[in-house]
Amino acid sequence: DAKTTQPTSMDCAEGRAANLPCNHSTISGNEYVYWYRQIHSQGPQYIIHGLKNNETNEMASLIITEDRKSSTLILPHATLRDTAVYYCIVRVEWNNAGNMLTFGGGTRLMVKP
Amino acid sequence: DAGVIQSPRHEVTEMGQEVTLRCKPISGHNSLFWYRQTMMRGLELLIYFNNNVPIDDSGMPEDRFSAKMPNASFSTLKIQPSEPRDSAVYFCASTPRTGVMNTEAFFGQGTRLTVV
Repeated sequence: DAKTTQPTSMDCAEGRAANLPCNHSTISGNEYVYWYRQIHSQGPQYIIHGLKNNETNEMASLIITEDRKSSTLILPHATLRDTAVYYCIVRVEWNNAGNMLTFGGGTRLMVKP
Repeated sequence: DAGVIQSPRHEVTEMGQEVTLRCKPISGHNSLFWYRQTMMRGLELLIYFNNNVPIDDSGMPEDRFSAKMPNASFSTLKIQPSEPRDSAVYFCASTPRTGVMNTEAFFGQGTRLTVV
């Protein structure tokens, strides 16, 4: 699976949009971009994923560049409860052995009042 | 569904003792993963199972660690003998059946292990 690069930490004001970037310049054509987050003392939680097109769900939006070498996770109206470590992961669609996830360092997002 | 259930939530044990961590995956899921998280190394994949069969255990630190999945609803991670450097939070995760594309992983709340 391709490696990802994320900033170590970011701050965001409560109520504002949080834009979390991720570089994945070595991504392959059959690899998806996944985002998970981990709130303190909890297990990681799935947020969203995409291949080429931008995606949106009730939690966030995912913007993938046309060349697919980078993406941005957008939390449109960040709240204090969005304070967490956000992980960007790229992996193949599936394989015969399972759908394992390899986590990097992630971005520690601090939402401030 | 109650989600992935791990027990115990906290475990404190003395060096040299055997420790067994337990995981109940979400019903119907057929892939199960054990992760370890420390401040120094982050989230590391230890082992994963597909249809109760261990597929890749290359992440298991050493022979002191062993994992089993006797049936689709239960898995254990055992450390024998335990050492202080094994102190970490251990997470279990499960995903729906293999071959289904774009599946998300569901994580348990973790077991915080402290070896003194």
